[in-house]
Amino acid sequence: QKEVEQDPGPLSVPEGAIVSLNCTYSNSAFQYFMWYRQYSRKGPELLMYTYSSGNKEDGRFTAQVDKSSKYISLFIRDSQPSDSATYLCAMNDGQGGSEKLVFGKGTKLTVNP
Amino acid sequence: ETGVTQTPRHLVMGMTNKKSLKCEQHLGHNAMYWYKQSAKKPLELMFVYSLEERVENNSVPSRFSPECPNSSHLFLHLHTLQPEDSALYLCASSPTAGDEQYFGPGTRLTVT
Repeated sequence: QKEVEQDPGPLSVPEGAIVSLNCTYSNSAFQYFMWYRQYSRKGPELLMYTYSSGNKEDGRFTAQVDKSSKYISLFIRDSQPSDSATYLCAMNDGQGGSEKLVFGKGTKLTVNP
Repeated sequence: ETGVTQTPRHLVMGMTNKKSLKCEQHLGHNAMYWYKQSAKKPLELMFVYSLEERVENNSVPSRFSPECPNSSHLFLHLHTLQPEDSALYLCASSPTAGDEQYFGPGTRLTVT
C-alpha cells in the first residue's frame, strides 16, 4: 500500500459547484497536513496547512482531517474557472529530524464556465 | 523579488553537457529542498539542506550534485544526464526542516 493515495482524476465540474478532493494515508503518525495548488507550468503553491484532526476554513476553501479514518479532504465552494489546477495533498509526522513531506500524485481539476 | 526564485526556467542539454540550476529564497528560511516532478508521478524528494548542511540524500544518482553555499541559495549541478532525467525540477524552502514548504516555479529540463 502506498503511503499516500490520491485519485489523479481528471475531475471536471461546472462553475459554482462544490468540489471535494480527497487523500487517504497509511501512516498513523502523520499529523501535519497540507494542500497545494499547482497551475500548469508553475510550482506548487501552499493553499492550506492543518495540524491533527478537525476543520480549517479559509474563504471558499475548507480542509478537513479525519485521523481515525486516515482521510483528508479539501472542499472548494462556489468553484471558479480560476480554480482549475492540480491539487496535491502532502503530510508528515512532524517528528524532530523528519524533514520529508509525503505527497500524493495530485488531482487535476477543471472548472468549466 | 519575493518568495522562491529559480533559474533558468527552461533548459535543454545534451547527455554530455554540464549545467547548473540555481534557487534563491527571500523568505529567511533555514531549510531548502530539491524535488523532481515527472508526469503521473508524485513529487520525488531529492535533497534536503538544513542550515546549509545536507540532511537527506534520497538515493539520487551521483550525476546530480547539490550545493548550498548559504541558507538563501541552493544549486543543483548536472552532468552526464540521461533522457529519463527530463522533468520539472522544483526548489522549495521552509522555516525549519519539516515545516510547510514554499516552492519556486521550477526549471523544465529536457535532456536530448
